[in-house]
Amino acid sequence: SQTIHQWPATLVQPVGSPLSLECTVEGTSNPNLYWYRQAAGRGLQLLFYSVGIGQISSEVPQNLSASRPQDRQFILSSKKLLLSDSGFYLCAWSIGGASTDTQYFGPGTRLTVL
Amino acid sequence: GDSVTQMEGPVTLSEEAFLTINCTYTATGYPSLFWYVQYPGEGLQLLLKATKADDKGSNKGFEATYRKETTSFHLEKGSVQVSDSAVYFCALSDRENYGGATNKLIFGTGTLLAVQP
Repeated sequence: SQTIHQWPATLVQPVGSPLSLECTVEGTSNPNLYWYRQAAGRGLQLLFYSVGIGQISSEVPQNLSASRPQDRQFILSSKKLLLSDSGFYLCAWSIGGASTDTQYFGPGTRLTVL
Repeated sequence: GDSVTQMEGPVTLSEEAFLTINCTYTATGYPSLFWYVQYPGEGLQLLLKATKADDKGSNKGFEATYRKETTSFHLEKGSVQVSDSAVYFCALSDRENYGGATNKLIFGTGTLLAVQP
């Protein structure tokens, strides 16, 4: 069966510090991968998606970037965090090739920028 | 563009009450529709889905029917439990708009359900 992992689970960082959040998927090959942000009391905002290694599409111009160095690894980064980067970050995957459109979510990382 | 509108919460019910959370959508293609649930401090879990008009998705006592004529996908449960307390998200995936290469989901803002014993 497929599983998705995210770490760390929680993170407190000062403004201006760098960020690296990691997401890995097990039990499937060539998945589509997604990063979402959920601000407090609000819905989900799609940040990035990827259909393959090195292929990243950005949905919203911002202070963040994403990379996919391996087939089942998706990393969210920032060089300098802003207060507005605080939120709950969710990674998701779906079966590659668009045979199904269901997305499966990881447990999330709660980021607090102080 | 495509969008999803959910009823605003919070929805507060007593245990064993009937639940309805309204969801309507706008889409130019042929969307699949989803309900996801988020328990406190956790990620989202797929609750149910429907891929074409008149399909009914069901899981754990929850149901939702894909109504193309009213562009709706309302979530219902006959008798809620305290353990159903969570945030519920309606979402759509419009394959035609996104060419099938990825299936980006468009989410509603979520509805908080609080069930009291």
